[in-house]
Amino acid sequence: EIVLTQSPGTLSLSPGERATLSCRASQSVSYSCLAWYQRKPGQAPRLLIYGASSRATGIPDRFCGSGSGTDFTLTISRLEPEDFAMYYCQQYGSSPFTFGPGTRVDIK
Amino acid sequence: EVQLVESGGGLIQPGGSLRLSCAATGVTFSSDWMHWVRQAPGKGPVWLSRMNSDGSNTMYAGSVKGRFTISRDNAKNTLYLQMNSLRVEDTAVYYCARGAPTVNTLVFDYWGQGTLVTVSS
Repeated sequence: EIVLTQSPGTLSLSPGERATLSCRASQSVSYSCLAWYQRKPGQAPRLLIYGASSRATGIPDRFCGSGSGTDFTLTISRLEPEDFAMYYCQQYGSSPFTFGPGTRVDIK
Repeated sequence: EVQLVESGGGLIQPGGSLRLSCAATGVTFSSDWMHWVRQAPGKGPVWLSRMNSDGSNTMYAGSVKGRFTISRDNAKNTLYLQMNSLRVEDTAVYYCARGAPTVNTLVFDYWGQGTLVTVSS
């Protein structure tokens, strides 16, 4: 089973700042099969990124995914008020399709 | 509008059984791969199971294999999860999710709001 580790656990930033979230896998993720989701309280998760770097439909271009192998990054170029939320990475290259524990992006 | 609505959760004693349902609207359910995912408080989501569109192929996480069974009724646009031999560690919110048909069926583009399962004596 591929274990995903996300860092930092919490990121405290101000609107307009850049957020950099890390997702590290215990072994190489096949074909960069790595997705990112955003989760707000009381809402269902929202798919942001798939294939490590492709934005899902309707996702603003301030969200950018990168990486390959075991190291992946989600960058939010300029935080908007609605971006403060939990973020999870998920690998779907090999079963079981595991998630990371999440990074919380808080308002500083 | 796409809606996935889970039901069937509740308080159950260890060793007991529950069947969860997920009613889908606004999607072409019979064409969609569907999944069950759970999330315990303070933890990341955990993928449990998936079923392909016609129900002929399933896959399970090791932690639930042999205890949980995924099924679907395409005529009713409903996904099910039969959970047997429940353990305290199965306590979580259970979500159904759709495999994104235009992206990859192992990526989830729509999720339900979840149903809480509490396993406790």
